[in-house]
Amino acid sequence: EVQLVESGGGLVQPGRSLRLSCAASGFTFNDYAMHWVRQAPGKGLEWVSGISWNSGSIGYADSVRGRFTISRDNAKNSLYLQMSSLRAEDMALYYCAKGGFLHWLSRDDAFDIWGQGTMVTVSS
Amino acid sequence: EIVLTQSPGTLSLSPGERVTLSCRASQSVSSSQLAWYQQKPGQAPRLLVYGASSRATGIPDRFSGSGSGTDFTLTISRLEPEDFAVYYCQQYGSSPETFGQGTKLEIK
Repeated sequence: EVQLVESGGGLVQPGRSLRLSCAASGFTFNDYAMHWVRQAPGKGLEWVSGISWNSGSIGYADSVRGRFTISRDNAKNSLYLQMSSLRAEDMALYYCAKGGFLHWLSRDDAFDIWGQGTMVTVSS
Repeated sequence: EIVLTQSPGTLSLSPGERVTLSCRASQSVSSSQLAWYQQKPGQAPRLLVYGASSRATGIPDRFSGSGSGTDFTLTISRLEPEDFAVYYCQQYGSSPETFGQGTKLEIK
């Protein structure tokens, strides 16, 4: 079964850091771009970051650039999001999603597999 | 950044009706790299359409996408009870990838 399982969310104080993980199974992880997408409570979807199959190409939303770092470990079939200097506006459900073959921004980079998300709450 | 504007914000319809959702881009979307997703309460989004008009695996043929450039639509030919949800468009042709704000389909 193709599956993405996020973990690492929780309650964190403003200004602190948190690391999210996403474990992939059921597909050849190192063949695909991967993404993080977030959804604030009651709000719409916001793309956060994307990474190519070999980590050679990475992109971020302006709202997180310089504070968040996406990475992957193909040997462990895992995707990560290191979040620092967290703000109240970063509070959201964070989803990882499977993108296109090898590269993000490619013709097939629609997100066909999503995890169930991990909640990040930023509050003092 | 390409801004996607979806309209209308909310639609109240009855099962069996036909509906067309709109997604307008602030700039031309590269190679029709436009997708549509459905999201139900408490669930992750589900891919419906990619490449503006290709149905994703397992998606019923009552869902169809069309458009190019800056104007895209998602049509549901006959609404089923399970289709009442929020629908998002997304462009994945230029960075940052962006989503529309969503259209909510509710039962009349």
